[in-house]
Amino acid sequence: KAGVTQTPRYLIKTRGQQVTLSCSPISGHRSVSWYQQTPGQGLQFLFEYFSETQRNKGNFPGRFSGRQFSNSRSEMNVSTLELGDSALYLCASSFPSGGYNEQFFGPGTRLTVL
Amino acid sequence: AQSVAQPEDQVNVAEGNPLTVKCTYSVSGNPYLFWYVQYPNRGLQFLLKYITGDNLVKGSYGFEAEFNKSQTSFHLKKPSALVSDSALYFCAVRDWSDNAGNMLTFGGGTRLMVKP
Repeated sequence: KAGVTQTPRYLIKTRGQQVTLSCSPISGHRSVSWYQQTPGQGLQFLFEYFSETQRNKGNFPGRFSGRQFSNSRSEMNVSTLELGDSALYLCASSFPSGGYNEQFFGPGTRLTVL
Repeated sequence: AQSVAQPEDQVNVAEGNPLTVKCTYSVSGNPYLFWYVQYPNRGLQFLLKYITGDNLVKGSYGFEAEFNKSQTSFHLKKPSALVSDSALYFCAVRDWSDNAGNMLTFGGGTRLMVKP
């Protein structure tokens, strides 16, 4: 069974630009979550999508948005990039549940903002 | 609100010795607890979880963890460390009595260094 895939793996952007990251979950998984990982803040939850609906959102500004398609693939978008947005962005998928199923993580997209 | 603390930034252990990576949590309700491991330039890999039942849970690669409700702890252990266990370990919690979907709250991570 193929794992969670994320594209692109690496990305370099300049301040003010926008970026879109993509995530394909494991087949059959309908819940997709996004996390930001930085050395200073650690792993922080961005949002979760289930059945094309955002189910929960972390404490991030409105510049961070996402969506999910009918095939469960998800994208996240960051507009007006800032230097502090440089991070590893991780996508995770799981079966929908009350939260007791483990999440399976992709390799991440490393975003560098110059 | 939920939170996780991993009090040690780094744990050093000699190969063949037992290892412990500490984790304490705080939730208003009841926890689901998880351990993940991250190797360089990789995503997180699931190791084990506590949902309910037996306080000692066994996971991948010989790791186990003990849930202690009174101490609100979920320490990761392995009887005999391998050099290949060297990686970054994350503890995570999910409060199953709230309505936050699959959101996980992670600890800051502990770097495990196993020396030959």
